[in-house]
Amino acid sequence: NAGVTQTPKFQVLKTGQSMTLQCAQDMNHNSMYWYRQDPGMGLRLIYYSASEGTTDKGEVPNGYNVSRLNKREFSLRLESAAPSQTSVYFCASSTTGAAGNTQYFGPGTRLTVL
Amino acid sequence: RKEVEQDPGPFNVPEGATVAFNCTYSNSASQSFFWYRQDCRKEPKLLMSVYSSGNEDGRFTAQLNRASQYISLLIRDSKLSDSATYLCVVNREGQNFVFGPGTRLSVLP
Repeated sequence: NAGVTQTPKFQVLKTGQSMTLQCAQDMNHNSMYWYRQDPGMGLRLIYYSASEGTTDKGEVPNGYNVSRLNKREFSLRLESAAPSQTSVYFCASSTTGAAGNTQYFGPGTRLTVL
Repeated sequence: RKEVEQDPGPFNVPEGATVAFNCTYSNSASQSFFWYRQDCRKEPKLLMSVYSSGNEDGRFTAQLNRASQYISLLIRDSKLSDSATYLCVVNREGQNFVFGPGTRLSVLP
């Protein structure tokens, strides 16, 4: 079991460039999440998908789009990268969003926008 | 006010010490509580869930006080390998997980 995988591990972009971060899980989880983590701050939710075919905004969705391609895969797209999007991005999954369910995280993508 | 707040840290303790972390949450509807551990430049990993009656896992003890909206984590006999950031996490039914900013622990030889 690979758990939650993310690609790429590192990325450097110039302002205005676009890219897609990929995430996949092999635990048959219904819910998937994208977070960003900045120094001195907790993880902040960007978007989540409670189940295949649904996506919803989290705390900091501006500048991002997501696609829940199927039950396994949940991608995050930056259409026009900005320096403020320099961060570490984590994908996570859980059985459901119901209370009591724990989240499992991918290894993260370290993104720098110049 | 942030929904989940933690001791700002960092905590620097000698090996063998006992250390306690505190966490408070503002939403009384919160139902599930967790402690996650995050090593430097790694992803968060579940350390333990926190139950109303309190629970223990080896050297780690978690307590929940719903009336005060307070969660704690106690680590006894600290090891060098306990050095990490500890994240307090709460969750409400049908809502998402909310993470605290974390408390960094360094266990010194």
